[in-house]
Amino acid sequence: DAMVIQNPRYQVTQFGKPVTLSCSQTLNHNVMYWYQQKSSQAPKLLFHYYDKDFNNEADTPDNFQSRRPNTSFCFLDIRSPGLGDAAMYLCATSRGGENTEAFFGQGTRLTVV
Amino acid sequence: GEDVEQSLFLSVREGDSSVINCTYTDSSSTYLYWYKQEPGAGLQLLTYIFSNMDMKQDQRLTVLLNKKDKHLSLRIADTQTGDSAIYFCAESIRDYKLSFGAGTTVTVRA
Repeated sequence: DAMVIQNPRYQVTQFGKPVTLSCSQTLNHNVMYWYQQKSSQAPKLLFHYYDKDFNNEADTPDNFQSRRPNTSFCFLDIRSPGLGDAAMYLCATSRGGENTEAFFGQGTRLTVV
Repeated sequence: GEDVEQSLFLSVREGDSSVINCTYTDSSSTYLYWYKQEPGAGLQLLTYIFSNMDMKQDQRLTVLLNKKDKHLSLRIADTQTGDSAIYFCAESIRDYKLSFGAGTTVTVRA
């Protein structure tokens, strides 16, 4: 049973056209994360929420925004996608305790044309 | 600082053991993790070890931790073709975050 679900699996968007990626979880975890991963590199953390508290990484571009309307859902908004934003976007969750055991979704592969 | 380093590639014959090595820098990390990523998929947690342990075994997987040297390894016994993937080492850092290594691509040859 999928516990962290990302939709869609594949997304094609036009250069400069806003796009939203979605993530939902059935684990009732406190923390939700968004990572960007390019070409089999290490996942790069963009931001994360602890409940409704938003934590942005210092080097995350302003072009990337996030919303968490409730415990189960979290969205990644890319306001004006550039060619350099083409990547795999991974959502993950964790309980928020000392053990940062993170559970990942299958990812959304974003293509910018 | 937070920096996790891994060798990038490992080739192993089917049936042999694989050993993937990792070094980390944050001595305050309480948990260390191994994740597996198959092509086009998300990261799957394989196992983790608490920092006060030096070994953990889980079926074909053995994790060794040398806290003094900040060295972590993952041994996969009887490596199968289905073990071909990228393996990421990660350490827990502040604010519920993980710091990942660059990943080791494991290729299993017949």
